[in-house]
Amino acid sequence: QTVVTQEPSFSVSPGGTVTLTCGLSSGSVSTSYYPSWYQQTPGQAPRTLIYSTNTRSSGVPDRFSGSILGNKAALTITGAQADDESDYYCVLYMGSGIYVFGGGTKLTVL
Amino acid sequence: QLQLQESGPGLVKPSETLSLTCTVSGGSISSSSYYWGWIRQPPGKGLEWIGSIYYSGSTYYNPSLKSRVTISVDTSKNQFSLKLSSVTAADTAVYYCARGFVDLPFDPWGQGTLVTVSS
Repeated sequence: QTVVTQEPSFSVSPGGTVTLTCGLSSGSVSTSYYPSWYQQTPGQAPRTLIYSTNTRSSGVPDRFSGSILGNKAALTITGAQADDESDYYCVLYMGSGIYVFGGGTKLTVL
Repeated sequence: QLQLQESGPGLVKPSETLSLTCTVSGGSISSSSYYWGWIRQPPGKGLEWIGSIYYSGSTYYNPSLKSRVTISVDTSKNQFSLKLSSVTAADTAVYYCARGFVDLPFDPWGQGTLVTVSS
């Protein structure tokens, strides 16, 4: 079964830039996988940040951006703020109605 | 504004069937192009897609859960439901419902409901 890979953890300084990635255990991520990104804080439901590779969801600041970098989907946060400290999940569409989440990245801002 | 709300028992015994309902308000569950999905999150762990049902009635399930999962829609009540059979402690999780379409898979989400499997 295909595994979607994410960095387990990442750290960024306030005001800094960080890029989180979303890959496949076998193969490359392309726009055909419609990569989406979600932010989750403890005790809350996930919130949509980016969908269809690089479309920001309504109300999401433009310091969040999505792209394909090499063979992975990427979420870049520019000018990180303290309240960006969250868990971030990507999800890929595998075709035939099937979705697979990555394991999530715990982002620390310090 | 579309809202989703999960409901169902918070405690289920091992080997029994977990049943949850998601009530949709602020929009029709019969809207074309959308699908309605279930996602779960075990305590302290990541998100797992369980399955989805399309407006056409077609269902798609996580292969790892497919033999135990049934998702159905009740358009008269604007609700969709999840049944997960033969549960074990590993099925203990917060269960979320969400609306989606292919390139925006899960949005919005319900607030989630914790289901504990224990005797």
